[in-house]
Amino acid sequence: TQLLEQSPQFLSIQEGENLTVYCNSSSVFSSLQWYRQEPGEGPVLLVTVVTGGEVKKLKRLTFQFGDARKDSSLHITAAQPGDTGLYLCAGGSRPRPGSARQLTFGSGTQLTVLP
Amino acid sequence: NAGVMQNPRHLVRRRGQEARLRCSPMKGHSHVYWYRQLPEEGLKFMVYLQKENIIDESGMPKERFSAEFPKEGPSILRIQQVVRGDSAAYFCASSPPSRTQSTEAFFGQGTRLTVV
Repeated sequence: TQLLEQSPQFLSIQEGENLTVYCNSSSVFSSLQWYRQEPGEGPVLLVTVVTGGEVKKLKRLTFQFGDARKDSSLHITAAQPGDTGLYLCAGGSRPRPGSARQLTFGSGTQLTVLP
Repeated sequence: NAGVMQNPRHLVRRRGQEARLRCSPMKGHSHVYWYRQLPEEGLKFMVYLQKENIIDESGMPKERFSAEFPKEGPSILRIQQVVRGDSAAYFCASSPPSRTQSTEAFFGQGTRLTVV
């Protein structure tokens, strides 16, 4: 069974601070997605990374895929209250050759940015 | 281009009743995933379907739960004889047929099932 561990589980910071959220696994993934979920809503896709070592930037968010494609990080610069939400990473893979694609989700990091 | 549509958004059922959750994937998407989320937890995979086929149901409880994705119409997640422990948010996601490495999926807004 493939597992993704996210840390920290909860994070509460002041507006303007920087933060990093981690997503780690012992398994290799062919791609990794980051989603953000707000209360009462479905997860919204933020980014997909597919190449080991890849770095993508989305305004104040920087996403990195580990060289070995087993881990990823999300860094937010100058956090704002609007960044508050549940951040989920999801690894994509094919468990066996020829099998269906699967998305394995981490348990999420609940971020609260205080004004 | 409409996103993934789920209905109903909220569903209340008494213990022992049946719950039917519907999911219409994004236009052009032929892959559907169902996930369950308990309060303050991540998403737990239940089942992966393509049109008229169940590809992976390893996350589905063996009893009372079933899913289908017919040639025409939405995907249906059915829970028979619901119990209080079935109360959760159920999310559907869809993805396009693709030969790329990416497995990104797009989610609906979910159905919140409450069993009373």
